[in-house]
Amino acid sequence: GDSVTQMEGPVTLSEEAFLTINCTYTATGYPSLFWYVQYPGEGLQLLLKATKADDKGSNKGFEATYRKETTSFHLEKGSVQVSDSAVYFCALSGGSSASKIIFGSGTRLSIRP
Amino acid sequence: GAVVSQHPSRVICKSGTSVKIECRSLDFQATTMFWYRQFPKKSLMLMATSNEGSKATYEQGVEKDKFLINHASLTLSTLTVTSAHPEDSSFYICSASRTGVTNTEAFFGQGTRLTVV
Repeated sequence: GDSVTQMEGPVTLSEEAFLTINCTYTATGYPSLFWYVQYPGEGLQLLLKATKADDKGSNKGFEATYRKETTSFHLEKGSVQVSDSAVYFCALSGGSSASKIIFGSGTRLSIRP
Repeated sequence: GAVVSQHPSRVICKSGTSVKIECRSLDFQATTMFWYRQFPKKSLMLMATSNEGSKATYEQGVEKDKFLINHASLTLSTLTVTSAHPEDSSFYICSASRTGVTNTEAFFGQGTRLTVV
């Protein structure tokens, strides 16, 4: 079945550092890919998405490019802030999963001032 | 963007009692809603898919008699945890897919933290 694998956390960075959180997927067909963010004690918020190969999703300085050849959707940000501290989930929908969303295990990000 | 409201945000109940959690799509109709469970520092586990007017589809390993799901209208789905026990304590999150949009659009509620004492 479809699956999402993302890098283990926690990840701790200093403010203004460069961020990469790796995400790879396994799916049949042509899934859509997402990054969700969960702030402490809250539900999930969609951060960005890409619906087809070579699409780049971007929001709040975060970017991710849908790479079909490497089945990847890595999340990047050039300069992180303390307010970016949260748990980030890579996810996919479509493929063999139909309307279900399949989540990765989540990566906890902590930013030091 | 579309809004999904989940209520209550926190609930504490005694062991053996039942708890109902509501999930509402406030500004769109949702033929399909999903219920997830999140364990501490873990990812979201899909429990069931709720379809308006029909029985929910449960994922393998989820007890349908313990987690009752009702999707009576296009804007409301409920999850009832019956005869709750401390091991049912968790963070429950619903999501709703917007009708008429491709299957890539889902919106999440704020989550409900259930503590069974």
